[in-house]
Amino acid sequence: AQSVTQLDSQVPVFEEAPVELRCNYSSSVSVYLFWYVQYPNQGLQLLLKYLSGSTLVESINGFEAEFNKSQTSFHLRKPSVHISDTAEYFCAVGGGSYIPTFGRGTSLIVHP
Amino acid sequence: EAQVTQNPRYLITVTGKKLTVTCSQNMNHEYMSWYRQDPGLGLRQIYYSMNVEVTDKGDVPEGYKVSRKEKRNFPLILESPSPNQTSLYFCASSVGQGVSYEQYFGPGTRLTVT
Repeated sequence: AQSVTQLDSQVPVFEEAPVELRCNYSSSVSVYLFWYVQYPNQGLQLLLKYLSGSTLVESINGFEAEFNKSQTSFHLRKPSVHISDTAEYFCAVGGGSYIPTFGRGTSLIVHP
Repeated sequence: EAQVTQNPRYLITVTGKKLTVTCSQNMNHEYMSWYRQDPGLGLRQIYYSMNVEVTDKGDVPEGYKVSRKEKRNFPLILESPSPNQTSLYFCASSVGQGVSYEQYFGPGTRLTVT
């Protein structure tokens, strides 16, 4: 069995401030980890993923996440956020079955 | 343009009236799935399909049916909708059957059952 915990349901920050969205997982098998972003009134789209290799993965719009096996975490970070980053972010884990598991989501709210 | 399409985008119906939400992808993906999104619960998988004529239950299949007669289409059927099926529904597809593949999501269908 696998599970995903997103520790914060809502994260408010000011524009240009750094942000970290936390994600912890549990799984009895090797995992694949994903962050998806959902902008208002849209479907989810992949932000970044970890399959193997380097534990630090980056997206094209400045987000990064680090796979930490010992802490079973895959936190998402950005050093300076923009208003346009306001969205819902979902952490997901896959591995061992055909049913990927999603976290409950974190709403990132960027204030001017 | 590679995409997953869903129709309708919005639907209001009454309890017990059968409905179908269509899903189509143009990427020749083998794996397709349906999710529902509810506040505070995130995404929960309803059904998935690994290929034509191969479907299986996800986490919350009760009250739903699916079929996969063609590779590109994966309709979601609610035979007798109830108010607890009011939700935001997403169809998704991926190139492979394993969970290492990213999923491509449709724009969503907001369903209200009164």
